Amino acid sequence: SQQGEEDPQALSIQEGENATMNCSYKTSINNLQWYRQNSGRGLVHLILIRSNEREKHSGRLRVTLDTSKKSSSLLITASRAADTASYFCATDATQGGSEKLVFGKGTKLTVNP
Amino acid sequence: DSGVTQTPKHLITATGQRVTLRCSPRSGDLSVYWYQQSLDQGLQFLIQYYNGEERAKGNILERFSAQQFPDLHSELNLSSLELGDSALYFCASSPNTYRHGYTFGSGTRLTVV
Repeated sequence: SQQGEEDPQALSIQEGENATMNCSYKTSINNLQWYRQNSGRGLVHLILIRSNEREKHSGRLRVTLDTSKKSSSLLITASRAADTASYFCATDATQGGSEKLVFGKGTKLTVNP
Repeated sequence: DSGVTQTPKHLITATGQRVTLRCSPRSGDLSVYWYQQSLDQGLQFLIQYYNGEERAKGNILERFSAQQFPDLHSELNLSSLELGDSALYFCASSPNTYRHGYTFGSGTRLTVV
């Protein structure tokens, strides 16, 4: 079952613009993570934000978390063509004693040069 | 190179056959996770091992099985293959649980014909 859902499903912008992707989830979490996947390649961990944090930065990435709304956003500033990829949010799901990261279906970002 | 090694990179096999996918986790990581990625289902969690023991199970079919060996490498066995099993299979590792980001391998692309 899908825990996180990204929005929009696809986003196309020009180089230099900012890109914002959103993630909504259903149950309480310990942390939320964002990953990037270039076409057909493995996922790369970008950033982890814990449930008691509201905002986190890493280079051109800014992640916010609103646990009251069960939502997160990923902002990429001053985008580059190399940022073209799919972006996934992942939330931990500890149901029935099992621990696992559950991924959304992703936002496909295209940055046009 | 992420530090997680998956072999083989590509696999083409016939329906009804059995295959084994191999994963070597990043040095020092005790947890290994297997995910299946297909166009229609997205990234689905299959199973997790921690230090040789099964820790969590997801949407893993009975035809599929996995194990983690004393040297911490893991194998995913897929048997009685069907056309619908064609997908990218990813292995990821982490120091212990989802409380850290995962490091993904580059995946094995399985095509069942």
